[in-house]
Amino acid sequence: SQQGEEDPQALSIQEGENATMNCSYKTSINNLQWYRQNSGRGLVHLILIRSNEREKHSGRLRVTLDTSKKSSSLLITASRAADTASYFCATGRSSNTGKLIFGQGTTLQVKP
Amino acid sequence: NAGVTQTPKFQVLKTGQSMTLQCAQDMNHEYMSWYRQDPGMGLRLIHYSVGAGITDQGEVPNGYNVSRSTTEDFPLRLLSAAPSQTSVYFCASSSPGGTGAEQYFGPGTRLTVT
Repeated sequence: SQQGEEDPQALSIQEGENATMNCSYKTSINNLQWYRQNSGRGLVHLILIRSNEREKHSGRLRVTLDTSKKSSSLLITASRAADTASYFCATGRSSNTGKLIFGQGTTLQVKP
Repeated sequence: NAGVTQTPKFQVLKTGQSMTLQCAQDMNHEYMSWYRQDPGMGLRLIHYSVGAGITDQGEVPNGYNVSRSTTEDFPLRLLSAAPSQTSVYFCASSSPGGTGAEQYFGPGTRLTVT
C-alpha cells in the first residue's frame, strides 16, 4: 500500500496566489521529499526535509514537517502558470537504500 | 551528463510476450529503482538496487525481474506480459550520503499490453 496520501487531489488557482498541498504518511520516516511532474514527463526533485527538521525553504517553496502528526505541507508562493504540474510527496525510511514510497499526488493548475 | 536514460519510449506488447525495459545512468549512482505509474495511483515501487549485484523487491514486484550487473545499468524484464502491466514505467537513481536520497528520474517508458 502507498505510504502517503495527498490533499487536495486537485487544486486550481489564479496566477500570483499561493498554493498549499498536504501530505500524510503512516510510518516513521528518515526523510520526506517533494517532486514535480509536468504532463508526460519524468519527476523532478524539488526539496527534501529530514525527520529532525521542521521547516525548509527553497526559492518560492516552503515545506513543513510535523512528525507527531505524520504530515507535511508544500507551499508555493506567488504561483506562476509554469507551476502547473502534479506534485508528489515521497517518504524514505532510510537514507541508505534509495527506496521511496510515493503519495498519489496533487494536480495543480495555475490560471494566467 | 545524460542523467538517467530509458529505452524504448513507447512499446506495445501482446499478452504473453516478454521484453526488457532498459535503464542507464551516467552519474555513478549506487541506488537505482523501477516504478510504475498508473492513473490516480501515484508511483509504486517495483524493484530497487543498492549496488551492483544487489536487488530487492518493492511494493509490486510480481511479473517483473531485475538484475544489476553494473553500476550503470538496471534493466527491468517483463516475463509474460499481461494487460494489468499497461502503465508508464520510470527508472530512477540516487546516491547515498549526507545530502540525502533525492532521486533522478528518467523520462519514462509508456507500455501498452493488448
